[in-house]
Amino acid sequence: NAGVTQTPKFQVLKTGQSMTLQCAQDMNHEYMSWYRQDPGMGLRLIHYSVGAGITDQGEVPNGYNVSRSTTEDFPLRLLSAAPSQTSVYFCASSFTRSGSGEGQETQYFGPGTRLLVL
Amino acid sequence: GENVEQHPSTLSVQEGDSAVIKCTYSDSASNYFPWYKQELGKRPQLIIDIRSNVGEKKDQRIAVTLNKTAKHFSLHITETQPEDSAVYFCPLRDGATNKLIFGTGTLLAVQP
Repeated sequence: NAGVTQTPKFQVLKTGQSMTLQCAQDMNHEYMSWYRQDPGMGLRLIHYSVGAGITDQGEVPNGYNVSRSTTEDFPLRLLSAAPSQTSVYFCASSFTRSGSGEGQETQYFGPGTRLLVL
Repeated sequence: GENVEQHPSTLSVQEGDSAVIKCTYSDSASNYFPWYKQELGKRPQLIIDIRSNVGEKKDQRIAVTLNKTAKHFSLHITETQPEDSAVYFCPLRDGATNKLIFGTGTLLAVQP
């Protein structure tokens, strides 16, 4: 199993550009999430999904969109990039008991995407 | 909602000493308590966890203890080594929203 994969590894954008960060997992996990990590700020939840077709907002959702058309993929879209979105983005997945949320604490993280917005 | 409080925010120890990081939670219904380690430039990884029906769990030099009455659980690292230097997180699930909250973590530096 490849686990959780993310592309690209690095990206430089200009203010106002849009892009999609890709995330895929091959463990048949129901729960997937996106975090951003800034110096001194820890990991902050952007969006998450408890299964295909279901998404919800996390702590810092503004400026980002997600969709979950399949169990495997959970792309994160930046609609109009801003310098404040410069960060390291991590995608994660976990098995959960359906509907309860239990199990999501055991998360498998991807290698991350480093994004710089100029 | 659930609130993650970790103490201390930074910890510096000499190689060979012990390190203890404490995590406080508020939701009495919480029943699973994990610790993650994130080395510099790498992804967070689960290193040890404990369920609410167990008071302590050990795995070589690391252990986690749970105090349900006081609502806190702690990570213990003995005989610290330079490779233990990392940020440690204790994420907790908000029972109302099912969001998993990581917080800012604890930076552990082991001085050789």
